[in-house]
Amino acid sequence: DQQVKQNSPSLSVQEGRISILNCDYTNSMFDYFLWYKKYPAEGPTFLISISSIKDKNEDGRFTVFLNKSAKHLSLHIVPSQPGDSAVYFCAVRGAQKLVFGQGTRLTINP
Amino acid sequence: DTAVSQTPKYLVTQMGNDKSIKCEQNLGHDTMYWYKQDSKKFLKIMFSYNNKELIINETVPNRFSPKSPDKAHLNLHINSLELGDSAVYFCASSPTTGSYGYTFGSGTRLTVV
Repeated sequence: DQQVKQNSPSLSVQEGRISILNCDYTNSMFDYFLWYKKYPAEGPTFLISISSIKDKNEDGRFTVFLNKSAKHLSLHIVPSQPGDSAVYFCAVRGAQKLVFGQGTRLTINP
Repeated sequence: DTAVSQTPKYLVTQMGNDKSIKCEQNLGHDTMYWYKQDSKKFLKIMFSYNNKELIINETVPNRFSPKSPDKAHLNLHINSLELGDSAVYFCASSPTTGSYGYTFGSGTRLTVV
């Protein structure tokens, strides 16, 4: 019973274009939503977060959108750069822990 | 100077063996975690400790036993290894149990043959 799902295992985007990664969750009680980024042979690193009281948060090229009614979270990267190629994990803060999705592998093509 | 370090990075062992994975953090965080990345790529929490006290113990076989000698260390011991234990195990830490800014180690890839 997965509480967080990322239905696209992979995404390929041309350099300079927008990358949009999506995530769905099941529990409306979650209060914090996050994106982590992971390179091969490394652990995930925190990228950006959003509180449940907001619907948008920006940090440079990265913007996270939260649609509470749809229980949907998305990450926009614009413009996409080759260094953005990585696996992106969506996560939600539950009871004293983070619950992660299964990740989406983003590939930025030159 | 690595913030969260795990050893070993790779571990190949036979079924039935007992093995340990060590984790240390130098961030001064109070809370440490073990996550397992399974074959479906989900990162699933196994255990968390806050200042040496067990906080979370998910539905994990009794063959897995965490040990936290102090708040900077959280080790994972696995008895009687099975093929299904093959996975990547990540250690992480956070300032407190309510924090969401986890710092992860680089992972230990365990392969049971």
